[in-house]
This record gives sequence, C-alpha cells and structure tokens, in this order.
Amino acid sequence: QLQLQESGPGLVKPSETLSLTCTVSGGSISSTTYYWGWIRQPPGKGLEWIGNTHYSGNTYYSPSLKSRVTISVDTSKNQFSLKLSSVTAADTAVYYCVRLAASDHLIDYWGHGTLVTVSS
Amino acid sequence: DIQMTQSPSTLSASVGDRVTITCRASQSISIWLAWYQQKPGKAPKLLIYKASSLESGVPSRFSGSGSGTEFTLTISSLQPDDFATYYCQQYNSYPLTFGGGTKVEIK
Repeated sequence: QLQLQESGPGLVKPSETLSLTCTVSGGSISSTTYYWGWIRQPPGKGLEWIGNTHYSGNTYYSPSLKSRVTISVDTSKNQFSLKLSSVTAADTAVYYCVRLAASDHLIDYWGHGTLVTVSS
Repeated sequence: DIQMTQSPSTLSASVGDRVTITCRASQSISIWLAWYQQKPGKAPKLLIYKASSLESGVPSRFSGSGSGTEFTLTISSLQPDDFATYYCQQYNSYPLTFGGGTKVEIK
C-alpha cells in the first residue's frame, strides 16, 4: 500500500528557506504513471496547490509561488522535495505531499501532512 | 486562473438528511472536477473524480453530478461519520484550484 511521509523542520525563521522531503513507500517515484506534488493549508483555512513534478523533470508551479518554489525528485532515495525561499508568516501552514495521476492530474493520494511555522 | 466557488460555506444538518453542496467554476472545466472530504487534523480524502465517478471504497450515499461550470455533491442520507469539511477542486488546467470548502455541522 502506498505511503507518503513528509519530513522536515517544523519551525523556520522569516526570510529563510523552508525545506521538506516526502518519502514514498509502497510505490516507485520513477513510475511514468504519476506526478508528485505539494499542497498547503494555513491553519483554519482552505487548500492551496503549490506545484508538482514528474521524475522525467516536467514540472508545474503555482504562479503566485513560482519565483520562490523548487520541487525536485531523488529517484535513488524514492523521495521528492519542496524548497520555498524567503518565507514569511503567511507561509505558515500544514504542508501535504501528494500523488497525481499523470493521465489527468487527479490528486489521488495524500500524505498525512506536516505543520511548518514561520517565526523568529 | 479558474476560480472555484462553493456554497454554502457552512451547512447544519441532521443524521438522515439529504445534503447537497454546490461548486461553480469561473469557466468551463468539462468534467474535470474532484470532491474531497477532510476531517479535523487529517488529510483530505478523495470521494469523487471526473465529476461523478465514485472513488473505490467510498460509500454509495455519496454522489456527484454536473459538467461545464456547475457541479453538486450529494449525500443521500447523512451519517455521523460524514460531519466534515468538503472541498471541490478542478484539474482541467493549471494552476490547480480548490473551492473554499463547505463545513457540514451537526444541527
């Protein structure tokens, strides 16, 4: 059974870079059938798509975050990662890693999520 | 960007009630719409995809309909486990976008 597990610091200082990793188990990140992505949810608010990537390198980013976001894949570790630079308090959120079907980009599987707080 | 608007934002209902949630897209998304259920402290769970296809393992009391710009999620007989927040999401085009959510509360 597929499992997605987010990991990374729970506290990041303003202006620094938020870095998270998602470890995929029960499936291969090198599968042509899926994209891998990130979605976030500020406390008490709705869901915001950040971006997705395919192991081949094809990547999509939210226009509002594009200048600060990098999503990459490490096939040797079956992991993918999120880097968000120059963070502010507005970036405080639960960050979810997700799987998307490559055929239609449906988000069909979610990790449990990890809370990242931006504060000095 | 395609804007997704859900209504109502909050809904109070009783066990056994028939519940309908509406989602409108700012432009046509054909049938490329998904519905998710989220409980407090948990990740969203896929209920419906391609507007009306029921995800495996999801109870048949959940159904979806619509195409183009107007969509609905219906729970035919609300159960205690269904009190949660529901989100629609379009995957017709990038950027992927979500509705603001509908919280289904106990009346």
